[in-house]
Amino acid sequence: EVQLVESGGGLVQPGGSLRLSCAASGFTFSTYDMHWVRQRIGKGLEWVSAIGAAGDTYYPVSVKGRFTISRENAKNSLFLEMNNVRVGDTAVYYCARDRGYPIGGLDVWGQGTTVTVSS
Amino acid sequence: DIQMTQSPSTLSASVGDRVTITCRASQSITAWLAWYQQKPGKAPKLLIYKVSALESGVPSRFSGSGSGSGTEFTLTISSLQPDDSAIYYCQQYSTHLYTFGQGTKLEIK
Repeated sequence: EVQLVESGGGLVQPGGSLRLSCAASGFTFSTYDMHWVRQRIGKGLEWVSAIGAAGDTYYPVSVKGRFTISRENAKNSLFLEMNNVRVGDTAVYYCARDRGYPIGGLDVWGQGTTVTVSS
Repeated sequence: DIQMTQSPSTLSASVGDRVTITCRASQSITAWLAWYQQKPGKAPKLLIYKVSALESGVPSRFSGSGSGSGTEFTLTISSLQPDDSAIYYCQQYSTHLYTFGQGTKLEIK
């Protein structure tokens, strides 16, 4: 079964750090681009970061310089290192698989892990 | 960044109705558009990719189209069912910096 399972969420103070993990199974992880998408409570989806199969990374302005996406293909794992977190980073964080060119679309999603930034 | 704007923000319709949700991009995204359905407490589910391609397992009452300009797109549900109550999001993947629309909440009367 194709599956993504996030972990690592929790309570962190403003200015602190947190590392999220996403364990992939049931597919050849190394060949897919992967993403993190977040959702604040009661709000819409916000794309947070992406990493290509080749290791290239992309971020929106809102997290660039604070968040780092990485992957460890040997362990079928995706990571999101969150530094200098803000109250506005409080959200459910999903990892998602991208089928890539020429099809596209985020076709597999995890169940999400909740990050709460509060003092 | 490319901005995606959906309309309406909320929509109430009856079972059997034909429903249309619109998504506009701030610049041409050619055909790199997907639609997702999200139900409360669940992860989003891919419905449509490349404007009009139906994801495997998605009912055929869902369809997607584009105006040809690369900036205006629609998601149509041909005959609304009770299970279609959800929030729907469009998403562009024309550039490496993906963006989502703000969502359309679809309620069943």
